[in-house]
Amino acid sequence: EPEVTQTPSHQVTQMGQEVILRCVPISNHLYFYWYRQILGQKVEFLVSFYNNEISEKSEIFDDQFSVERPDGSNFTLKIRSTKLEDSAMYFCASRRREDTEAFFGQGTRLTVV
Amino acid sequence: GNSVTQMEGPVTLSEEAFLTINCTYTATGYPSLFWYVQYPGEGLQLLLKATKADDKGSNKGFEATYRKETTSFHLEKGSVQVSDSAVYFCALSNTGYSTLTFGKGTMLLVSP
Repeated sequence: EPEVTQTPSHQVTQMGQEVILRCVPISNHLYFYWYRQILGQKVEFLVSFYNNEISEKSEIFDDQFSVERPDGSNFTLKIRSTKLEDSAMYFCASRRREDTEAFFGQGTRLTVV
Repeated sequence: GNSVTQMEGPVTLSEEAFLTINCTYTATGYPSLFWYVQYPGEGLQLLLKATKADDKGSNKGFEATYRKETTSFHLEKGSVQVSDSAVYFCALSNTGYSTLTFGKGTMLLVSP
């Protein structure tokens, strides 16, 4: 069964460092998303991406964040200069069409020290 | 804005017990409502959904009814199994399956 794959499963980085979280969406999907969950808090929407551009973003998704689909298979989230408060579980999701279910990856746990 | 509130966990039950996980929401218009489940080491999976008032979503023995009058979408199962141990997330969307607003998640632990 096709699935969304995220790597790494856990990343530890020093404050101020750049980090790239990677996702491989399901191959025929067209809509891509990043969500995050800070420990003990709600899962929050970050950004949606369609047709090679951002279609929607939340107020969390500031200039420190960027997304890219560099090669038609990967979908990446970059945080330029990590802060302690960026520590969270980051989930990638994709879906085929606007009226179909979103499939989520298993998440990347980012720890900023 | 939209928000989802779930009961705090963990919920600890013995096998074959009855399960209820409460979920209430605040939203404009007529949102679609969802329950997602995350088994250990896996991604969030859609468990069930309801798209309009009084709809009942069901899957794998789980049920939830869209109650507009109480703005609730409580998850129930008549007899839980050890394999149901997971984290359950209530969510809503104003635009079909698009951007989702989630609750915090409720961990369910079922013992034999």
